[in-house]
Amino acid sequence: GAVVSQHPSWVICKSGTSVKIECRSLDFQATTMFWYRQFPKQSLMLMATSNEGSKATYEQGVEKDKFLINHASLTLSTLTVTSAHPEDSSFYICSARSEMEWETQYFGPGTRLLVL
Amino acid sequence: AQSVTQPDIHITVSEGASLELRCNYSYGATPYLFWYVQSPGQGLQLLLKYFSGDTLVQGIKGFEAEFKRSQSSFNLRKPSVHWSDAAEYFCAVANFGNEKLTFGTGTRLTIIP
Repeated sequence: GAVVSQHPSWVICKSGTSVKIECRSLDFQATTMFWYRQFPKQSLMLMATSNEGSKATYEQGVEKDKFLINHASLTLSTLTVTSAHPEDSSFYICSARSEMEWETQYFGPGTRLLVL
Repeated sequence: AQSVTQPDIHITVSEGASLELRCNYSYGATPYLFWYVQSPGQGLQLLLKYFSGDTLVQGIKGFEAEFKRSQSSFNLRKPSVHWSDAAEYFCAVANFGNEKLTFGTGTRLTIIP
């Protein structure tokens, strides 16, 4: 149980284009999903928290117009990197938690984004 | 603010040897503590967690961790490591009412034959 998937697993795009990353909870309803960014050989940096049906809460320093988050259902959240630039290249990981296990986050496999 | 310290950036252990990864946290109340493992290019997998009760918790893959309030520690142990245990290990803490996880900087584990 508690499986989270991400799609795509990795993506290459041209500078200036937008990229959408999907995060799905496969066997539970995720009332809250989290989006992280991880740089090589570093820990995870929380970007934003999203609750189903409401606007995401962004961490300080994260541009909400650059990183659009939508949590439209209890099993799906999307992160759209708008007008991507090479500095947006990174490993993006989502996590999800349910009301039954509010304190535990289950993580997706991550999406590697390379912006050329 | 809560914080997590993993003092060992990199540890090398021989296959079959025992392992202990250190984690110290800073938080006033009783924290919720987690250990996650990340293989290269992968997401994080939950190894074990502690909220209350027995201070020695068992996890998956033969791992265990012990919560020591007096030392503000939650060290991860395994009696005999396997080559497949080579990965990055993250300790994390949350607290009641705050859904965010605070991660340590991670410990990279290398296994030598």
